[in-house]
Amino acid sequence: DIQLTQSPSFLSASVGDRVTIACRASQGIGSYLAWYQQKPGKAPTLLIYGASTLQSGVPSRFSGSGSGTEFTLTISSLQPEDFATYYCQQLNSYPPIFGGGTKVEI
Amino acid sequence: EVQLVETGGGLIQPGGSLRLSCAASGFTVSSNYVTWVRQAPGKGLEWVSVIYSDGSTYYADSVKGRFTISRDNSKNTLFLQMNSLRAEDTALYYCARVVWGSYRQFDYWGQGTLVTVSS
Repeated sequence: DIQLTQSPSFLSASVGDRVTIACRASQGIGSYLAWYQQKPGKAPTLLIYGASTLQSGVPSRFSGSGSGTEFTLTISSLQPEDFATYYCQQLNSYPPIFGGGTKVEI
Repeated sequence: EVQLVETGGGLIQPGGSLRLSCAASGFTVSSNYVTWVRQAPGKGLEWVSVIYSDGSTYYADSVKGRFTISRDNSKNTLFLQMNSLRAEDTALYYCARVVWGSYRQFDYWGQGTLVTVSS
């Protein structure tokens, strides 16, 4: 099975900061990578798919890049509503596992 | 508008069985891939199972042989039959719609139903 390693697992940042979260796959997955945001007590919501395509309705301060085994999620200017946990997910093959998550806190 | 509503969670003893339901609206379950994902308290997301539009099913190794995914096309509802439950199955169970083509993602999620396995 493909393994996903997210880093960091915890990130402390301030409003207005540029934030980058990394996701590394144990083998190449092309661009079959998605990013999700989860706020406390809520279901995950889709942010990015195809490694870099923004889901409809997601603010443009979110962006994704990468292919193969190295991927990043960037928030260009952190807003108060962005404090949450972020997960990457590989969808190249089954099982479509998730990374361990990155909690972004103030 | 796509919506998914999970029900059926609760407190169950180890070794017991439970059936979760996921009522879908805004899309047709039988024409899509639909999946279950769970999240243990304070932990990350774990994929559990998927059912394809052609009826094919796949499971995580951790639940294979114990859980069964199915659907009722007339009710546009997804199910997860969980047998031989263990303490480690305690989690919030989400259903989600899957896009699996040139682009792949879990694009809509329900709010989840909590399963607690404890004596």
